[in-house]
Amino acid sequence: QKEVEQDPGPLSVPEGAIVSLNCTYSNSAFQYFMWYRQYSRKGPELLMYTYSSGNKEDGRFTAQVDKSSKYISLFIRDSQPSDSATYLCAMSLNTGGFKTIFGAGTRLFVKA
Amino acid sequence: GAGVSQTPSNKVTEKGKYVELRCDPISGHTALYWYRQSLGQGPEFLIYFQGTGAADDSGLPNDRFFAVRPEGSVSTLKIQRTERGDSAVYLCASSPRTGAGANVLTFGAGSRLTVL
Repeated sequence: QKEVEQDPGPLSVPEGAIVSLNCTYSNSAFQYFMWYRQYSRKGPELLMYTYSSGNKEDGRFTAQVDKSSKYISLFIRDSQPSDSATYLCAMSLNTGGFKTIFGAGTRLFVKA
Repeated sequence: GAGVSQTPSNKVTEKGKYVELRCDPISGHTALYWYRQSLGQGPEFLIYFQGTGAADDSGLPNDRFFAVRPEGSVSTLKIQRTERGDSAVYLCASSPRTGAGANVLTFGAGSRLTVL
């Protein structure tokens, strides 16, 4: 079993839709939870960063962490064609150099 | 520099050859990471440097892979006797050592390695 599980998709939605992406994980020691966005042939770029449980909102993006269920989510409201990319969940421990473990990534297509 | 710079952006080599991939991190970032990303997969951790020393090299797949960071800035990932299975995008990332965002990674665009 992988430490971080993420459905690779692809996920195809119409413009304006609400998108829900999620990951599960097995290591209860993870404290930092991130979402990265990766466009084709580019490196991942940080989208959202959350420490421990709770919600965080930034514009059209909302990240949720449920540590009791070992489940994290990213919601995208009013999705745009420019949101079409691969979304990677990532998480790291509180110690040990912050080695970050990534999910496989979910490919998202937003159709105009 | 303004961002993480990786060279070469593309490298095609033959099985058995030696390859070096270079990473120039963000100025002032003392932590540097190497990841490998295969097609359709997320980045897989290889090695992490804090300053000049490798703090965690548990992700290096075997002794054909080696990385250095002699002056605490630029890093080189070295792959000996390349195999076709080494074909992937090699990503470098850097982060500040301490403070808020210490574990937020800024990635380069990657070096795409193809072993024929």
